[in-house]
Amino acid sequence: AQTVTQSQPEMSVQEAETVTLSCTYDTSESDYYLFWYKQPPSRQMILVIRQEAYKQQNATENRFSVNFQKAAKSFSLKISDSQLGDAAMYFCAYRSYGAAGNKLTFGGGTRVLVKP
Amino acid sequence: EAQVTQNPRYLITVTGKKLTVTCSQNMNHEYMSWYRQDPGLGLRQIYYSMNVEVTDKGDVPEGYKVSRKEKRNFPLILESPSPNQTSLYFCASSTGGPYEQFFGPGTRLTVL
Repeated sequence: AQTVTQSQPEMSVQEAETVTLSCTYDTSESDYYLFWYKQPPSRQMILVIRQEAYKQQNATENRFSVNFQKAAKSFSLKISDSQLGDAAMYFCAYRSYGAAGNKLTFGGGTRVLVKP
Repeated sequence: EAQVTQNPRYLITVTGKKLTVTCSQNMNHEYMSWYRQDPGLGLRQIYYSMNVEVTDKGDVPEGYKVSRKEKRNFPLILESPSPNQTSLYFCASSTGGPYEQFFGPGTRLTVL
């Protein structure tokens, strides 16, 4: 079974600075998807960015980018120019290419605090 | 507006009193899932459905039931809730492939 590990329970960043969240996963598969979800205090789960394992190019969405290292099974998220609205819980998630029921396997989460 | 709705949003109940949390999506998605979120554990899949009348267990199915009689609805049933089922519950739907799962707003359940 796949596992996802987020080793940083909490990270703090100054407004306008950059913060990087770590995520590692364990799998024997070669085809899969990786996601970062944001959960603000409203509890809504919001997709931040996705990466398909066969793509070597790292995904980017505005101020959010990933560093995908397939051999190392690492998928870190970088938030640039941090804003107060970025304060939230962030979850890394893995999904097998043919996952039954499209199951997502989540890490334990990293809480991001943004200081004004 | 494309969305997944859940009801109720908050529920406090007592041990053993049957309850149902409803979930509905308006995107004609084939796949639907239930997850529970607990501190430090992230979200874990309880049950999923790949289409009408097709359901199967996820990672933590004990104490839960589901049904999928219509494509849009996927209720979660706790026939005899216990305090260890106190959690935040999310319903999600998707079309499969690389596409995102759409999550409902969550249901905070407390079992006393």
